[in-house]
Amino acid sequence: NAGVTQTPKFRVLKTGQSMTLLCAQDMNHEYMYWYRQDPGMGLRLIHYSVGEGTTAKGEVPDGYNVSRLKKQNFLLGLESAAPSQTSVYFCASSLGGGSLFFGEGSRLTVL
Amino acid sequence: AQRVTQPEKLLSVFKGAPVELKCNYSYSGSPELFWYVQYSRQRLQLLLRHISRESIKGFTADLNKGETSFHLKKPFAQEEDSAMYYCAPFSGGYNKLIFGAGTRLAVHP
Repeated sequence: NAGVTQTPKFRVLKTGQSMTLLCAQDMNHEYMYWYRQDPGMGLRLIHYSVGEGTTAKGEVPDGYNVSRLKKQNFLLGLESAAPSQTSVYFCASSLGGGSLFFGEGSRLTVL
Repeated sequence: AQRVTQPEKLLSVFKGAPVELKCNYSYSGSPELFWYVQYSRQRLQLLLRHISRESIKGFTADLNKGETSFHLKKPFAQEEDSAMYYCAPFSGGYNKLIFGAGTRLAVHP
């Protein structure tokens, strides 16, 4: 079991470029989440999904889009990257409730 | 508004000393409370949840609804406890886990 896998693990972008982070889980979980982690601010929820084909906004959704076309995958997109989006991004999944399984994180730097 | 506060950014103790990591929350309804831990170079993982009332790695946490607190405690800290700890209330109505800013625990030999 791989659990929750995020790709890529590291990425450097220039301002205005676009990219997609992929999260894949092999645990047949219904719920999936994208968080960003910044020093002194903990983890903040960007978007989440309660099932295939659904998405919902979290605390800090602006500048990001998501898609859940397949149950096992949750994609996070940045259409026009900004330096304020430099962060470590974490994907997580769960069967429901607050017991989440996390990926290893993806470190994004926007120059 | 839903809010969770971890007042200490850094808690520094010596091995064998008691530890208490504070968490206060402001939430509508009755959220379920969790503690997550992130060791250096590892992914975030669940430490314990209040409804199970269990002790994990010597840590316990008691939910105090009157004070809206969920402090994490350990009587004798070990060096391997050094990590980032996050308090997280779960909103069942919205299926969202919201994290506090975290407290870094440093246990010195």
